[in-house]
Amino acid sequence: GAVVSQHPSRVICKSGTSVKIECRSLDFQATTMFWYRQFPKQSLMLMATSNEGSKATYEQGVEKDKFLINHASLTLSTLTVTSAHPEDSSFYICSASPTSAEQFFGPGTRLTVL
Amino acid sequence: AQSVTQLDSQVPVFEEAPVELRCNYSSSVSVYLFWYVQYPNQGLQLLLKYLSGSTLVKGINGFEAEFNKSQTSFHLRKPSVHISDTAEYFCAVSDPNDYKLSFGAGTTVTVRA
Repeated sequence: GAVVSQHPSRVICKSGTSVKIECRSLDFQATTMFWYRQFPKQSLMLMATSNEGSKATYEQGVEKDKFLINHASLTLSTLTVTSAHPEDSSFYICSASPTSAEQFFGPGTRLTVL
Repeated sequence: AQSVTQLDSQVPVFEEAPVELRCNYSSSVSVYLFWYVQYPNQGLQLLLKYLSGSTLVKGINGFEAEFNKSQTSFHLRKPSVHISDTAEYFCAVSDPNDYKLSFGAGTTVTVRA
């Protein structure tokens, strides 16, 4: 149980385009979902917290207009990287949390912006 | 706010030898503590967690950790490692009030035959 999926697993796009990443909790309802960013050989940095039906809460330094988060249902959250640039290339990981203290992580999405 | 320090960035170890990964945290409130493992190009898998109760926590794949409140530590141990334990290991803490996770920098474990 407690499976979280992400789609796509890898995406390559041109600079200036937008990319949408989906995060789904497959067998539980997630009241809260989290989005992280991980650079090579580094730790995970929390970008934002999203609760179903409300606006996401962004961490300091994360541009909310660039990284659009939509938590439309209890099983789906999306992260859209708008007007992507090469510096946005990274590994994006989502996690989902039911009512408990534990977060269940997705497999990650590798974004490469050319 | 919480912070996590993983004292070892890289730990090379021979197969069947024991391993200990050190983790210290700082927080002004009680915290939940976690250890995760990450294999290349994958997400995080939970090894074990401490929420309350017994300070010795047993997890998957033969790992265990001990919560030491006085030393604010949560070190991870395995008595005998396998080649398949080669991975990145992250210690994390969360505030029970908002469940946000703060991660350590990670420890790369390389198991050699």
